Amino acid sequence: AQKVTQTQTSISVMEKTTVTMDCVYETQDSSYFLFWYKQTASGEIVFLIRQDSYKKENATVGHYSLNFQKPKSSIGLIITATQIEDSAVYFCAMREADSNYQLIWGSGTKLIIKP
Amino acid sequence: NAGVIQTPRHKVTGKGQEATLWCEPISGHSAVFWYRQTIVQGLEFLTYFRNQAPIDDSGMPKERFSAQMPNQSHSTLKIQSTQPQDSAVYLCASSLGTGGSSYEQYFGPGTRLTVL
Repeated sequence: AQKVTQTQTSISVMEKTTVTMDCVYETQDSSYFLFWYKQTASGEIVFLIRQDSYKKENATVGHYSLNFQKPKSSIGLIITATQIEDSAVYFCAMREADSNYQLIWGSGTKLIIKP
Repeated sequence: NAGVIQTPRHKVTGKGQEATLWCEPISGHSAVFWYRQTIVQGLEFLTYFRNQAPIDDSGMPKERFSAQMPNQSHSTLKIQSTQPQDSAVYLCASSLGTGGSSYEQYFGPGTRLTVL
């Protein structure tokens, strides 16, 4: 069964600090792709970063990076030097290579950045 | 580079009326997806087109919902006889492709449908 779980419903941190959001997934496939998206207050869903299951190196894009722990089926999102505009809901998603197109979504984590 | 375009951004219909939502995917993207988002259900997959062909509509409520992609530059989602439970944000997304490569999906701004 495919499943993506985000247990943190809400996180609040001070501006300019580092925050980590957790995500665990379940899959039987040996090849899969993991994505993080951000949904802003306006409702816009923005792609942030992805990790391919066969890559050992953690992906990094700007001030976003991933902590990919394959044996634990875990893909954490790390945001460094947080800014007020990082306040949003963050979704983790997975797509199995065999499934071809279906994205399995987590329930989201609301991140609040305090000034 | 224009992103995914969705129109209208907001639509209000009366119960029983028809609603048509439009999506223009990113040029060159061969895969188009429709989702529905509500607070209760979260993000729900509705349907998927690849190279304009309907591939999977397993998420579409039967009878009143239909989706088409008459050409590579636009797709429509039509809801007949709208009901209050259809109120949601309808999101369109596109990607370069699918299959064994990590093609991420890019989302449009969504259409907020309110059925009175």
